[in-house]
Amino acid sequence: QSALTQPRSVSGSPGQSVTISCTGTSSDVGGYNYVSWYQQHPGKAPKLMIYDVNKRPSGVPDRFSGSKSGNTASLTISGLQAEDEADYYCCSYAGSYSYVFGTGTKVTVL
Amino acid sequence: EVQLLESGGGLVQPGGSLRLSCAASGFTFRSYAVSWVRQAPGKGLEWVSGISGSGGTTHYADSVKGRFTISRDNSKNTLYLQMNSLRAEDTAVYYCAKDRVAVAGGMDVWGQGTTVTVSS
Repeated sequence: QSALTQPRSVSGSPGQSVTISCTGTSSDVGGYNYVSWYQQHPGKAPKLMIYDVNKRPSGVPDRFSGSKSGNTASLTISGLQAEDEADYYCCSYAGSYSYVFGTGTKVTVL
Repeated sequence: EVQLLESGGGLVQPGGSLRLSCAASGFTFRSYAVSWVRQAPGKGLEWVSGISGSGGTTHYADSVKGRFTISRDNSKNTLYLQMNSLRAEDTAVYYCAKDRVAVAGGMDVWGQGTTVTVSS
């Protein structure tokens, strides 16, 4: 049950694209197509941004996209906006009603 | 409106116990797995425990196994987390979160969190 590995921080200017990686193992990321991504602003509850690797819930802008290759998943934010500045966490289903989260990435909009 | 509302947090001494509750509304509670997720001050999210819709299957993070017990009362639309033998490292905001579908598929509804502080 080790946390998935994410970069501590990424940054970009408004309008640019940033990509956050999330590396796990064959027991989590690589074993299931159930990777999700969460956005968390300071003092707020997490918000689901991507589920099932690459699907967006209703209301999430299409600037947010997800993908997966092997044991590594990625979140890309295109056309970066000021309100995208937040912490982002990946999460993978790990079987038997269990999940494992990533270490978290702080996105800074320059 | 689909909603989760946690309660029961507070200050407890090391070695003490606390029971958290999470009241659900706006959806068919028994149809969804739910989890407890915590966040220590200044740290990332940590999945703590999950339970199936029927309550028949539970799973725990290694960090709480043997000390915490998750349960649910579907007649009351309420999720619980019994926390025993609390340690300083259990200090965190505890969130309950609902699976988007019956199981897996991400957690689409989160409560506002309840704060647990373990300190003498």
